[in-house]
Amino acid sequence: DAGVIQSPRHEVTEMGQEVTLRCKPISGHDYLFWYRQTMMRGLELLIYFNNNVPIDDSGMPEDRFSAKMPNASFSTLKIQPSEPRDSAVYFCASTARGLLGETQYFGPGTRLLVL
Amino acid sequence: QKEVEQDPGPLSVPEGAIVSLNCTYSNSAFQYFMWYRQYSRKGPELLMYTYSSGNKEDGRFTAQVDKSSKYISLFIRDSQPSDSATYLCAMSEETGGFKTIFGAGTRLFVKA
Repeated sequence: DAGVIQSPRHEVTEMGQEVTLRCKPISGHDYLFWYRQTMMRGLELLIYFNNNVPIDDSGMPEDRFSAKMPNASFSTLKIQPSEPRDSAVYFCASTARGLLGETQYFGPGTRLLVL
Repeated sequence: QKEVEQDPGPLSVPEGAIVSLNCTYSNSAFQYFMWYRQYSRKGPELLMYTYSSGNKEDGRFTAQVDKSSKYISLFIRDSQPSDSATYLCAMSEETGGFKTIFGAGTRLFVKA
């Protein structure tokens, strides 16, 4: 398996623009997580899905953030409009119940810079 | 006060040294304790996983959990330059990683 795939790997945009981050989880995993990592706040859980259904979105910072999972192999995280304080590395991770400790497998991340 | 506290370092040690990394936490409901390793510009990867209190050993790595003190540790024996990375502690109340709370991560440098 290729692991969790994220695209794009890097994104530079201007304040006010819409940003869409994409994730393909590991085949067979039924949980998908979106995280944001910054130096100041560390790794924060934004939202997670189980069987394509959002379970907990309490970590989503504002209404400008939205996430969807239309099928088991694809999820998006959208920021509209983007702001400079959204600059961070965004990780997608997936897991399956029954794995040892439900180990989360992380993707390589998307580095987002909002100017 | 954060739920999970971790010294961000950096921690610099010579090759072959024993490394001790630590986290404290405030939520007594945490049952699952994990250590993730994150290389530069990569995603975190699970290194060690422990349920409740006790020790767990895997090669050069030993994880310890002291629930009475709300304190967890990761020991690395015979440290190698390839161990240079950021180490994040993580913990959760339920099975595995759901609603996992991560520490800030400690940057470790092992000098050859």
